Amino acid sequence: GAVVSQHPSRVICKSGTSVKIECRSLDFQATTMFWYRQFPKQSLMLMATSNEGSKATYEQGVEKDKFLINHASLTLSTLTVASAHPEDSSFYICSARVGAGMNTEAFFGQGTRLTVV
Amino acid sequence: GNSVTQMEGPVTLSEEAFLTINCTYTATGYPSLFWYVQYPGEGLQLLLKATKADDKGSNKGFEATYRKETTSFHLEKGSVQVSDSAVYFCALSGNTNAGKSTFGDGTTLTVKP
Repeated sequence: GAVVSQHPSRVICKSGTSVKIECRSLDFQATTMFWYRQFPKQSLMLMATSNEGSKATYEQGVEKDKFLINHASLTLSTLTVASAHPEDSSFYICSARVGAGMNTEAFFGQGTRLTVV
Repeated sequence: GNSVTQMEGPVTLSEEAFLTINCTYTATGYPSLFWYVQYPGEGLQLLLKATKADDKGSNKGFEATYRKETTSFHLEKGSVQVSDSAVYFCALSGNTNAGKSTFGDGTTLTVKP
């Protein structure tokens, strides 16, 4: 199947610093990628839809100035957590679909464990 | 809007036991249905999918049938193994949500030897 690579897998940062997470589609082009956040023992919460060449679409309640998304190419989307605080500590996962149809499954990155100290 | 309701966990079974994890959904139109599996510390992997009513998805001994009349997509396996221990997510992708997936809350399965 298609491969989505997410980097880094783990990051620990100090409160107030910014952290960038990369999501790459390795063997296909993805005009749309999705960013999710997962709290311990909970489901995935969609944060935003990343659109190549245009602004991301954020879900209600997600701060666009805190979670900056850039989708500069058809194979790369980045999520930057700006001025991170301990409450931003979480597991972040990206996904991308092969093709535009709803019948195609989403391929997920391996996730990034962010810990803000 | 779309929603997915999964059987609450955690579920603990002995090896070779029969597994059922219930999943029901609410959606407009004709969504595609998926089961994903998440091993500790990892992202999600597709386990199986079904794209239309009465389709049966299957993989690694797991099966699920798309039942439109009951809006269900229950996951089953006849004989679980310790290596099946993971979190299982039921999800749907509708034709009106721009490719977004809607996930259930996940069910944690632990299989004991």
